Amino acid sequence: QQQVKQSPQSLIVQKGGISIINCAYENTAFDYFPWYQQFPGKGPALLIAIRPDVSEKKEGRFTISFNKSAKQFSLHIMDSQPGDSATYFCAASKRTSGSRLTFGEGTQLTVNP
Amino acid sequence: KAGVTQTPRYLIKTRGQQVTLSCSPISGHRSVSWYQQTPGQGLQFLFEYFSETQRNKGNFPGRFSGRQFSNSRSEMNVSTLELGDSALYLCASSFDHGGNEQFFGPGTRLTVL
Repeated sequence: QQQVKQSPQSLIVQKGGISIINCAYENTAFDYFPWYQQFPGKGPALLIAIRPDVSEKKEGRFTISFNKSAKQFSLHIMDSQPGDSATYFCAASKRTSGSRLTFGEGTQLTVNP
Repeated sequence: KAGVTQTPRYLIKTRGQQVTLSCSPISGHRSVSWYQQTPGQGLQFLFEYFSETQRNKGNFPGRFSGRQFSNSRSEMNVSTLELGDSALYLCASSFDHGGNEQFFGPGTRLTVL
């Protein structure tokens, strides 16, 4: 059962543009929603995370928007740069499952110079 | 502070063999989780260890096992290897059980021939 669905599978953006990646979840018990960035040959790196009591969180060029009623959250990358080209994963976890993360399928982002 | 380290980085085994992978968490982190990453199934949770006890287990066969030592270092073992076990095995550490901020190591790339 896929509990976190991520789209699009791949995304091409021009330098300076906005990259938007969306995720939808099913389990309303989820209470923590992180985004990870992964470069080839590396492990995922935590980018930014949000909890359901907040509708938006911004850190530098990265913003998470959270819609609890729609059970959706999204990552916005402002002023996208070629160095942002990587695979992005959304994830979700719930307190009762400890540190277990349920991941989305991933989005391959390419930022053209 | 040093990050999560995993050894070995690359491993080639043949079907039927067994393998042991090692993970050293960030200093002070007491929870270690293991994930399997494949192109087809994405990132899937294997198990979480905290205080030398398995606290959570994903949907993997009993051939996959793990343990944690008193210094929080963890090992995972896969017995009777199958071709489908070829994957990137990632270890993530967090400060506490249910600690949401998880930091991943670079992974061990296992190839089963």
